[in-house]
Amino acid sequence: SYVLTQPPSVSVAPGQTASIPCGGNNIGGKSVHWYQQRPGQAPVLVIYDGSDRPSGIPERFSGSTSGNTATLTISRVEAGDEADYYCQVWESSSDNVVFGGGTKLTVL
Amino acid sequence: QVQLVQSGSELKKPGASVKVSCKASGYTFTRYAMNWVRQAPGQGLEWMGWINTDTGNSTYAQGFTGRFVFSLDTSVSTAYLQSSSLKAEDTAVYYCAKGSTAVAGLDFDYWGQGTLVTVSS
Repeated sequence: SYVLTQPPSVSVAPGQTASIPCGGNNIGGKSVHWYQQRPGQAPVLVIYDGSDRPSGIPERFSGSTSGNTATLTISRVEAGDEADYYCQVWESSSDNVVFGGGTKLTVL
Repeated sequence: QVQLVQSGSELKKPGASVKVSCKASGYTFTRYAMNWVRQAPGQGLEWMGWINTDTGNSTYAQGFTGRFVFSLDTSVSTAYLQSSSLKAEDTAVYYCAKGSTAVAGLDFDYWGQGTLVTVSS
């Protein structure tokens, strides 16, 4: 089965840039979606189709995909960005949604 | 605006059944897929499967066949998740999540607030 690999944690100082990677075999050939989940809340879509932002999501959030890695980038990180972030793809060979294990972003 | 409102927390004994509801508003219910996602305490997101809100056909992910059933009442724009023969390891928050298209395969653009199901004797 298809596996998405994320680091368990990433730390960044306020105002700096956070990069959260999501590794998967030939993930560059798939549509990758990213969700933010603040503590005690439901997930929120922040990036879809690799690099598109839903309305209401700040421009500070961006996404890119190349080869075997997709990356969520958060510029000018704020305390409110502290959350768990999950990548997700559709694996067409098995007709399954696959989530990465999640990355906890800590704002120092 | 789009809203998915789920039913409240449940406490069940092992072997019991539970039915979680997800009432949709703000869009045409039968035009978009509805997915179910489980999150065990302190763990990540796990896709359970989806239901075609137009045809009522369900697809279940591996590990969620047999004891889990998705259903609909399109007259009230509501999706349901029924779980039977509950086990302690079914303790989790269950989310409904609207797909951005009629079929599975893309992103989940709106989520319910989650329903905590606790299975304990």
